[in-house]
Amino acid sequence: KNQVEQSPQSLIILEGKNCTLQCNYTVSPFSNLRWYKQDTGRGPVSLTIMTFSENTKSNGRYTATLDADTKQSSLHITASQLSDSASYICVVSRYNAGNMLTFGGGTRLMVKP
Amino acid sequence: DAGVTQSPTHLIKTRGQQVTLRCSPKSGHDTVSWYQQALGQGPQFIFQYYEEEERQRGNFPDRFSGHQFPNYSSELNVNALLLGDSALYLCASSFEGGSYEQYFGPGTRLTVT
Repeated sequence: KNQVEQSPQSLIILEGKNCTLQCNYTVSPFSNLRWYKQDTGRGPVSLTIMTFSENTKSNGRYTATLDADTKQSSLHITASQLSDSASYICVVSRYNAGNMLTFGGGTRLMVKP
Repeated sequence: DAGVTQSPTHLIKTRGQQVTLRCSPKSGHDTVSWYQQALGQGPQFIFQYYEEEERQRGNFPDRFSGHQFPNYSSELNVNALLLGDSALYLCASSFEGGSYEQYFGPGTRLTVT
């Protein structure tokens, strides 16, 4: 079964601290993995996209890693800001599946002052 | 360049009624996907339209139907609404010949009472 599991479900950190979110997937055949940021009640916004051959990609303070052998990914947020408070969703795309995406349940991050 | 737009932003319906949600894709995009996101959960794939035809479908009943118009805009129709249909409905567009990056709209919040 094609699934994407994320941990933790929720996380509270202090402003300025770093954090790492985890994603494990069983989606096959693998095409690419994306991390999205979703503010409450809004549509997801893409942070990074990684294909099979990429094992790290950065977007400002966001750095995503991918281990295609173990089917794991992480999203590291550096020097967190209050505006980082949101849900972070790991999404995996299946190869030759018409770009159908499988979403994880998300990690709800709250950054406190 | 307008991104993905959806209408209406909020909608309240009664059980048994029918609803139509609309989506205009990002300029240059020809593929539209629809997702349902229940509160606190990740989005679930409903279906995808390309060249005015449904190309992929997730695990949703026939009460959920759609349409894509020649200008690539799309509608999602839900018949015989149930309380459990209350959710944020997201539309995402992409370009078939591109990198498969999907851009999400802001969503339509549907409440069924």
